[in-house]
Amino acid sequence: GAVVSQHPSWVICKSGTSVKIECRSLDFQATTMFWYRQFPKQSLMLMATSNEGSKATYEQGVEKDKFLINHASLTLSTLTVTSAHPEDSSFYICSNLGGEFQETQYFGPGTRLLVL
Amino acid sequence: GQQLNQSPQSMFIQEGEDVSMNCTSSSIFNTWLWYKQDPGEGPVLLIALYKAGELTSNGRLTAQFGITRKDSFLNISASIPSDVGIYFCAGRPSLDSNYQLIWGAGTKLIIKP
Repeated sequence: GAVVSQHPSWVICKSGTSVKIECRSLDFQATTMFWYRQFPKQSLMLMATSNEGSKATYEQGVEKDKFLINHASLTLSTLTVTSAHPEDSSFYICSNLGGEFQETQYFGPGTRLLVL
Repeated sequence: GQQLNQSPQSMFIQEGEDVSMNCTSSSIFNTWLWYKQDPGEGPVLLIALYKAGELTSNGRLTAQFGITRKDSFLNISASIPSDVGIYFCAGRPSLDSNYQLIWGAGTKLIIKP
């Protein structure tokens, strides 16, 4: 299966600062990547679909100006949480498309964000 | 957002027992995926199903794509301690063109000592 890495694995920041999370597709080129957030004891919630070379598509209720996504290359997508607040504390996970029919998502290890 | 109906929500079993969980949907799906997530980690793909009626095994795990395309199940045989975790089903609706997945709420598997 496809290998996805994320960096950092965890981050603690002060309220009001911005945090950048990187998602890398290590073993193949990914034109499409996905960003999720997950709160404790809940399922994954899709935030946005990241497309290489074009603007990301955000899910309803997700502020595009707060969660900036850049997918400038076929192997890297970044999520920047701008002016982070405590309610942004969550587990952020990215995925890419792979598999026999390009319909399988492979996930990164996740990034734990804690905003103080 | 839309979710699949995944059951049971949690399971308490003895080591060595078999486990069965399932997901159902009111609409047709083209793809069914089963993932396992350990605490603090991203979901790891267990089995991917692409055709109605497909039955696929991965070691002690077996999953099937329901013939109606509206359900799928995952079985784990002879459970061991490392099977503990949260299992998620996910599916791609047939009318979806952008590869997004619909997720179940998860089944938490706990093995009694």
